[in-house]
Amino acid sequence: GAVVSQHPSRVICKSGTSVKIECRSLDFQATTMFWYRQFPKQSLMLMATSNEGSKATYEQGVEKDKFLINHASLTLSTLTVTSAHPEDSSFYICSARDGRSNQPQHFGDGTRLSIL
Amino acid sequence: GDSVTQMEGPVTLSEEACLTINCTYTATGYPSLFWYVQYPGEGLQLLLKATKADDKGSNKGFEATYRKETTSFHLEKGSVQVSDSAVYFCALITNNAGNMLTFGGGTRLMVKP
Repeated sequence: GAVVSQHPSRVICKSGTSVKIECRSLDFQATTMFWYRQFPKQSLMLMATSNEGSKATYEQGVEKDKFLINHASLTLSTLTVTSAHPEDSSFYICSARDGRSNQPQHFGDGTRLSIL
Repeated sequence: GDSVTQMEGPVTLSEEACLTINCTYTATGYPSLFWYVQYPGEGLQLLLKATKADDKGSNKGFEATYRKETTSFHLEKGSVQVSDSAVYFCALITNNAGNMLTFGGGTRLMVKP
């Protein structure tokens, strides 16, 4: 079945560092990918919708300059948390839409980001 | 707009107990309904789904029936196992949502031996 790979699974960085998270669709082409943020013991919050070859669509309240999204190919989207601070620590999950599948989205395993 | 409401957790059960996690929804269109499961430290996995009224989704002993009259999609399992301990999310998608899922708040299930 369709698989989405997310890397890294865990990252610990110092405050002020920029962190890049990759989301890859391994056996299908994904024209649309989604980035979510999940706070402890809470639901997923959609941050942005990433469209291949065009600018991402950000949800209200999500800083575009803080969370840079690039979807340069049909199998890869990246989320870069720029100049990360402790309040950016969270669990970030990506998902991808496979047009051949009857599932709306396939999810990666998430990235645990901890900023010291 | 669309919304999903599910019972707050945590739900703590003993092994082999019966499980029900309530989920109700509001939607502007005719939604498809889903249950996702998230094991500790992992992403979401689709557990089951139903795309029209009276459909029953089932997987791994879990079931949920699409009830349009009550706008509900309650998750049930007759006998839970310790390995079922996870967070369960009810979600919906409508044709006019551009494949965007609307999630409930999640319900943490803890099954004790």
